[in-house]
Amino acid sequence: GAGVSQSPSNKVTEKGKDVELRCDPISGHTALYWYRQSLGQGLEFLIYFQGNSAPDKSGLPSDRFSAERTGGSVSTLTIQRTQQEDSAVYLCASSSLRGRDSEQFFGPGTRLTVL
Amino acid sequence: AQSVTQLDSQVPVFEEAPVELRCNYSSSVSVYLFWYVQYPNQGLQLLLKYLSGSTLVKGINGFEAEFNKSQTSFHLRKPSVHISDTAEYFCAVRPSGNTPLVFGKGTRLSVIA
Repeated sequence: GAGVSQSPSNKVTEKGKDVELRCDPISGHTALYWYRQSLGQGLEFLIYFQGNSAPDKSGLPSDRFSAERTGGSVSTLTIQRTQQEDSAVYLCASSSLRGRDSEQFFGPGTRLTVL
Repeated sequence: AQSVTQLDSQVPVFEEAPVELRCNYSSSVSVYLFWYVQYPNQGLQLLLKYLSGSTLVKGINGFEAEFNKSQTSFHLRKPSVHISDTAEYFCAVRPSGNTPLVFGKGTRLSVIA
């Protein structure tokens, strides 16, 4: 597709359940980022993949959060045993590996609601 | 570590009036600076960016921003706003090419007819 796509657009789940959020980056983009947008916290970095390097997981808030990127393309963010404070919009972005001018293109996000 | 402060969480302004959205950053290294806009129920869209060179940067939709190194600021301005500019605006920094962005908490611009 022409842009970054994310699915589902909305997810409602019960506390304690696991959820998976998907991101399809722009074709050919080697860098992929996950951010979280929540009320009062703004936009926070979660995890970052670049090419075949080990991901930067420094932004993950707890060990309930994990992400993988298969084949250098699609990425899945998994939240285990969801809590109400996990409710937020999860944004994915991708960029090409072209140095300082590598603009990050954002997807529309997945709105997660934990009841 | 970098941080970004957007001093105003909400800015109401009348249509056709000028607006300035303030952004200050802290960093011990040179950074690249960005402004993103988020329209209601949409994703983030890049408005403009400063990488190097001229400190006055022009972006889309008539917006511009000025990088001031001594004041560590990157304020966003528009001389005459439209109703369609109603959105949330985020200032962001990053230290190098492919690294995560550090965002401010956002400023909600409301344009009043």
